[in-house]
Amino acid sequence: AQSVAQPEDQVNVAEGNPLTVKCTYSVSGNPYLFWYVQYPNRGLQFLLKYITGDNLVKGSYGFEAEFNKSQTSFHLKKPSALVSDSALYFCAVSGGLGGYQKVTFGIGTKLQVIP
Amino acid sequence: GAGVSQSPRYKVAKRGQDVALRCDPISGHVSLFWYQQALGQGPEFLTYFQNEAQLDKSGLPSDRFFAERPEGSVSTLKIQRTQQEDSAVYLCASSLEGTGVHYGYTFGSGTRLTVV
Repeated sequence: AQSVAQPEDQVNVAEGNPLTVKCTYSVSGNPYLFWYVQYPNRGLQFLLKYITGDNLVKGSYGFEAEFNKSQTSFHLKKPSALVSDSALYFCAVSGGLGGYQKVTFGIGTKLQVIP
Repeated sequence: GAGVSQSPRYKVAKRGQDVALRCDPISGHVSLFWYQQALGQGPEFLTYFQNEAQLDKSGLPSDRFFAERPEGSVSTLKIQRTQQEDSAVYLCASSLEGTGVHYGYTFGSGTRLTVV
């Protein structure tokens, strides 16, 4: 079965500093990897995805993520955090025996950007 | 509409009551997904439609849960004889193409179901 681990319940970072939100995954075969963001009382919003190709993928709002096959990781990064980035971030994976349409989400990491 | 619309936004049901949750996907989106998000957890897959065909319902927790999309657009998730453990936010998502992997999902704001 495929799974995602987000080891940090919460990440605190000062505004203007770089941020990293960690994610590791487990899936048989080639993974499709995603990051979604959830603001209070709103639906999840798609940020970026990795399917194939360049290990560094760029997404919305200046976010990027790096796929590392040997470490089975897909950490989310941003060079300079904004207070408006404060939200709940979900890493997700699909592929393998579960098929590409069944996406498995992590439990989420709360990002708090401190002014 | 411009986004995925779910109704009602909030539903309180007495234990044993039947409920129906509605999802209006983005017009023209082929795929539609239902997820259940318990408090403090990530969304968990329930079921998946491609047009009107329900291709995967392996995530439905029991036979009390039933989903349909009869004309390939609006979908309804029905829960019969609700139990307290059914309390969660039910999220609907749609995607332009079959798997959702190329364009990502567009999620609705969800229906928060509370069973008392």
